[in-house]
Amino acid sequence: GENVEQHPSTLSVQEGDSAVIKCTYSDSASNYFPWYKQELGKRPQLIIDIRSNVGEKKDQRIAVTLNKTAKHFSLHITETQPEDSAVYFCAASPLNDYKLSFGAGTTVTVRA
Amino acid sequence: EADIYQTPRYLVIGTGKKITLECSQTMGHDKMYWYQQDPGMELHLIHYSYGVNSTEKGDLSSESTVSRIRTEHFPLTLESARPSHTSQYLCASRRDRDGYTFGSGTRLTVV
Repeated sequence: GENVEQHPSTLSVQEGDSAVIKCTYSDSASNYFPWYKQELGKRPQLIIDIRSNVGEKKDQRIAVTLNKTAKHFSLHITETQPEDSAVYFCAASPLNDYKLSFGAGTTVTVRA
Repeated sequence: EADIYQTPRYLVIGTGKKITLECSQTMGHDKMYWYQQDPGMELHLIHYSYGVNSTEKGDLSSESTVSRIRTEHFPLTLESARPSHTSQYLCASRRDRDGYTFGSGTRLTVV
């Protein structure tokens, strides 16, 4: 089955700086890559996703890039703010499966 | 409002009790999932269903069972709760190959 690895496990950034989280996946047939943000005590929420026919997608301060050849994708947060502090999960969805395979999560802390 | 609802939000029960965690969604999604998650930690898939009368076990060994008699309802039952079951349980649903929508979770404590 699909295996997703996520790095780093923790990330501390100064407010206003950028944060980058990287994930690799094992199944070359995976074609859907969502990112979730989970604030303390809340449910995971989808913040951005990308499909394999696109290399990059942006939504205001967040962007996701996909390199199908290398089988990795990344989340970029620019101009970080205290409300960006949360746990972020990447995931991949193989073409022949309706289950998402999740990375282990990255705890992001934005220092004021 | 179309969403996915979990009850109860918090539950404290004694060892050996039988409990059912409720999950209902009003989005008409066929695919539903149960995850176990310690706060801020990895998501572990324990059960999933791709439609009525279809249920499968996930990657994490679990002593729970599920049923899917109606599209919108996917309850999880623990026949005999133990302290090792203390965790947060998240229900999710999915339309086709879009992302999951998660419920708010049930935080279970077994004493």
